[in-house]
Amino acid sequence: GDSVTQMEGPVTLSEEAFLTINCTYTATGYPSLFWYVQYPGEGLQLLLKATKADDKGSNKGFEATYRKETTSFHLEKGSVQVSDSAVYFCALKLSSNTGKLIFGQGTTLQVKP
Amino acid sequence: EAGVVQSPRYKIIEKKQPVAFWCNPISGHNTLYWYLQNLGQGPELLIRYENEEAVDDSQLPKDRFSAERLKGVDSTLKIQPAELGDSAVYLCASSSLQGANTGELFFGEGSRLTVL
Repeated sequence: GDSVTQMEGPVTLSEEAFLTINCTYTATGYPSLFWYVQYPGEGLQLLLKATKADDKGSNKGFEATYRKETTSFHLEKGSVQVSDSAVYFCALKLSSNTGKLIFGQGTTLQVKP
Repeated sequence: EAGVVQSPRYKIIEKKQPVAFWCNPISGHNTLYWYLQNLGQGPELLIRYENEEAVDDSQLPKDRFSAERLKGVDSTLKIQPAELGDSAVYLCASSSLQGANTGELFFGEGSRLTVL
């Protein structure tokens, strides 16, 4: 079935370090891909998205490129800040499914000063 | 602009008791979702409403779970009777119809249920 797999957490980095959180997916057809973020005490919010192969989503210094050949959508940031500490969820939406997001299990990022 | 509001934030009950969660979506959002998030896992869709109609409830365990969205605004999710395995976070989200197509959902902070 359709699914999303993320790298295990927690990920602990020092401030200004480079971040990569791996995400791979299995899906029929051509899904849209997303990264959602959940900051402590807040609801999930959309961080970035890509709707077709080779698209790059970006927001707040984060980037992810839709790689159809490797079925991946890895999240990257060149220099993390303490305020980036959160849980990051990779998700997909099938083109045939309005509104239904399929999430990965989430990766906790902790950034230390 | 107010976000998605859920209550209660935390609920502790004994097994076999009933429980209800309430959600108020963002004003003007006609699509409302209930997601279940088990510990250490990502959210999973339980039910999706367009206005007052449940258009996808295939993942809702209908033997003990029920939901309603009267007047197409607020929604209530009920569990009766609760079981130990129902301990989880229940997330409500809303979107516009366009947001449903593009995958841009707005989530509340969730209601954390503990069943003893």
